[in-house]
Amino acid sequence: GQNIDQPTEMTATEGAIVQINCTYQTSGFNGLFWYQQHAGEAPTFLSYNVLDGLEEKGRFSSFLSRSKGYSYLLLKELQMKDSASYLCAPMDSNYQLIWGAGTKLIIKP
Amino acid sequence: GAVVSQHPSRVICKSGTSVKIECRSLDFQATTMFWYRQFPKQSLMLMATSNEGSKATYEQGVEKDKFLINHASLTLSTLTVTSAHPEDSSFYICSARDGNRVETQYFGPGTRLLVL
Repeated sequence: GQNIDQPTEMTATEGAIVQINCTYQTSGFNGLFWYQQHAGEAPTFLSYNVLDGLEEKGRFSSFLSRSKGYSYLLLKELQMKDSASYLCAPMDSNYQLIWGAGTKLIIKP
Repeated sequence: GAVVSQHPSRVICKSGTSVKIECRSLDFQATTMFWYRQFPKQSLMLMATSNEGSKATYEQGVEKDKFLINHASLTLSTLTVTSAHPEDSSFYICSARDGNRVETQYFGPGTRLLVL
């Protein structure tokens, strides 16, 4: 079957760094997306990894290891507005995104 | 960047009425559009996938006669919730795939439906 495993909830302090891990199993693989979703809003695109390694984009970086079925999202210099759910979504062989429940990130002052 | 719009953003209707939600890709041609539903504090659930000019493919458990999907052009897909009931109240989100980039999926802002 296909599944995603992420922590349900994480808490971090403003200005700090947090790493959200994701392991996945899919039928085929065509890359992995990270989305941010604030409460009551649609997801917004953060990153897309299709090759192994680290992709850095400002305060956010995403890492992928295809052989391990593992990815992480790294958020630096955390701001209060980063409080949201973070969704790890691998794309299967049919180019369908597979969704888990996401990780709710709580930022404290 | 690629923009997807949805209309309306919020709708309240009486039980038994039908509601149409539009999803438009504004600056690209969307060969495929996806319709999702999300209940509070739950994950996104794919309802159906629609390809321009053909019938939508519905996920297991989604009633195709209740959730009518039309993808008549490369920039517009519509979802009609027929004979809506309170249990259909949810957040409906569409996403669109750029025909030139199969790995893409751009999300609309969502439509919040409340059925009284």
